[in-house]
Amino acid sequence: GQNIDQPTEMTATEGAIVQINCTYQTSGFNGLFWYQQHAGEAPTFLSYNVLDGLEEKGRFSSFLSRSKGYSYLLLKELQMKDSASYLCAVLDSNYQLIWGAGTKLIIKP
Amino acid sequence: GAVVSQHPSWVICKSGTSVKIECRSLDFQATTMFWYRQFPKQSLMLMATSNEGSKATYEQGVEKDKFLINHASLTLSTLTVTSAHPEDSSFYICSARPGTDASPLHFGNGTRLTVT
Repeated sequence: GQNIDQPTEMTATEGAIVQINCTYQTSGFNGLFWYQQHAGEAPTFLSYNVLDGLEEKGRFSSFLSRSKGYSYLLLKELQMKDSASYLCAVLDSNYQLIWGAGTKLIIKP
Repeated sequence: GAVVSQHPSWVICKSGTSVKIECRSLDFQATTMFWYRQFPKQSLMLMATSNEGSKATYEQGVEKDKFLINHASLTLSTLTVTSAHPEDSSFYICSARPGTDASPLHFGNGTRLTVT
């Protein structure tokens, strides 16, 4: 079966750095997405990785290792508004999007 | 760019009535749109894939006669929840891709349905 694992919840301090991991086992791979979802709102796109390595976009970076079936989202200089759920999703060989359950990130002052 | 508009944002209806939710791609054409449902504190669950000009593809366990999908144009898909019951109360979100199958999904703002 297809499976995506990410921690259920994480807590970090304002101004700090946090890394949210995602491991996947899917039928094929055509890319991995990270989305941010604030409570009561729809997800918004953060990043897309299809090749190994680190993609940096401002305070957020996303890393992919296809051989390990592993990705992480790195958030720097955390702000209170970063409190949200972060969803990892993988495009399988049929271009079906497989979603992780999401990681709820709690930022404390 | 790549804006998806969803309407209404929230709706309250009585048990047994039907509710229609609209999803529009404002600045791109979408031959395919996706309808998701999300219960509180749970992940997104794909309900169905809406295909312009043809029948929608429903995920296992989703009743096609209860959740009617119409994708009559390249910019509009509608989801109608028929004979709604309290257990249908949920957050319904549509999404579409502006480009290839590998391009990111862009989501509408979602519709919070409450059935009393």
